[in-house]
Amino acid sequence: DTEVTQTPKHLVMGMTNKKSLKCEQHMGHRAMYWYKQKAKKPPELMFVYSYEKLSINESVPSRFSPECPNSSLLNLHLHALQPEDSALYLCASSQIWLNRGQGTEAFFGQGTRLTVV
Amino acid sequence: DAKTTQPPSMDCAEGRAANLPCNHSTISGNEYVYWYRQIHSQGPQYIIHGLKNNETNEMASLIITEDRKSSTLILPHATLRDTAVYYCIVYGSSNTGKLIFGQGTTLQVKP
Repeated sequence: DTEVTQTPKHLVMGMTNKKSLKCEQHMGHRAMYWYKQKAKKPPELMFVYSYEKLSINESVPSRFSPECPNSSLLNLHLHALQPEDSALYLCASSQIWLNRGQGTEAFFGQGTRLTVV
Repeated sequence: DAKTTQPPSMDCAEGRAANLPCNHSTISGNEYVYWYRQIHSQGPQYIIHGLKNNETNEMASLIITEDRKSSTLILPHATLRDTAVYYCIVYGSSNTGKLIFGQGTTLQVKP
């Protein structure tokens, strides 16, 4: 199984809603990542988890709250979002954190297309 | 982290080889060259990576120059399904642990 599964595939939420994005992998990977991608732009890193600990937060607003409850699961909790937060949210995983420099590739999910109204 | 430079777009005829260049003149000795691609509305897909030697897998070949300052991704027989944005990314043990995407090259394979 070389899949990273993201749910839901599409999400429409109001600015006062609370919702969560879910990401799962069963490859035994110990590093997981959240990216945000706006239309016609490259993915932008948001968070990095290594061994279930938050290792990097790229100055993401607090209305985005990541959680890694176990080594297979990564959540992104959303609250009080703005319309400009509408984007494709991508989850990725790798065997180890990429800073170990051992030639480790990342596997990406298909993303959640989020629309904030 | 070493930066990369790629042409914004390229065309290739179906069935021909697609050669995608990447410059990474500031690469350090322990940094790898990675290639990913993103087909429209999908998540990025790993293609290949290398350190010093040329590499080949079932998807592509990676040619790295001897001074490691540039590389070329080769898709030997491009198909319409290879139309995508191709990202060349450099990282290694000196990296901050961030897989950072540049603007990439949009490859259009034409019939």
